[in-house]
Amino acid sequence: DAGVIQSPRHEVTEMGQEVTLRCKPISGHDYLFWYRQTMMRGLELLIYFNNNVPIDDSGMPEDRFSAKMPNASFSTLKIQPSEPRDSAVYFCASRLRPRGTEAFFGQGTRLTVV
Amino acid sequence: AQTVTQSQPEMSVQEAETVTLSCTYDTSESDYYLFWYKQPPSRQMILVIRQEAYKQQNATENRFSVNFQKAAKSFSLKISDSQLGDAAMYFCAYRSARTGANSKLTFGKGITLSVRP
Repeated sequence: DAGVIQSPRHEVTEMGQEVTLRCKPISGHDYLFWYRQTMMRGLELLIYFNNNVPIDDSGMPEDRFSAKMPNASFSTLKIQPSEPRDSAVYFCASRLRPRGTEAFFGQGTRLTVV
Repeated sequence: AQTVTQSQPEMSVQEAETVTLSCTYDTSESDYYLFWYKQPPSRQMILVIRQEAYKQQNATENRFSVNFQKAAKSFSLKISDSQLGDAAMYFCAYRSARTGANSKLTFGKGITLSVRP
């Protein structure tokens, strides 16, 4: 398996623009997570899905952030409009349902909003 | 809410020596999992080792082992025979195992490990 695939790897955009980050989880995994990593706040959960259904979106910072999972093999995280404080590395991770299984992470998208 | 604390922001070890990275956590639950993830400069988050709270035996994976002290809520990572490739940021993480609980990982702030040749 190719692992969790995220695109793009790097994104530079201007303030006010819409940004869409993409994730393809490992085939067969039931859970999909979006995390954000910053120097100040470390790694924090934004939202996670179970069987394509959003379960916990309490970490989504504002209405400017939205996430979808239209099918088991694809998810997007959208920021509209983007702001400089959204600059961070965004990780997607997936895992299987059974107890004890670990989450597998993608390589992350480094977002820079100027 | 669960919290994970890594109080040492940086550590350094001589190649071939042993180093221990500390982690403490706070939870009211009795059934949970603890993880150590490695993040090298490539940014990829890689699982190093996993411990199930109901298992008293400490987990080991080749040169990596943990000292899990459930009563003290401590979960340290020992790296033996350190190699240059071990240089990375290391994150301790917690996940509840309770049925119906939130499935998210709660991470510590991380520790940057450097390996001196």
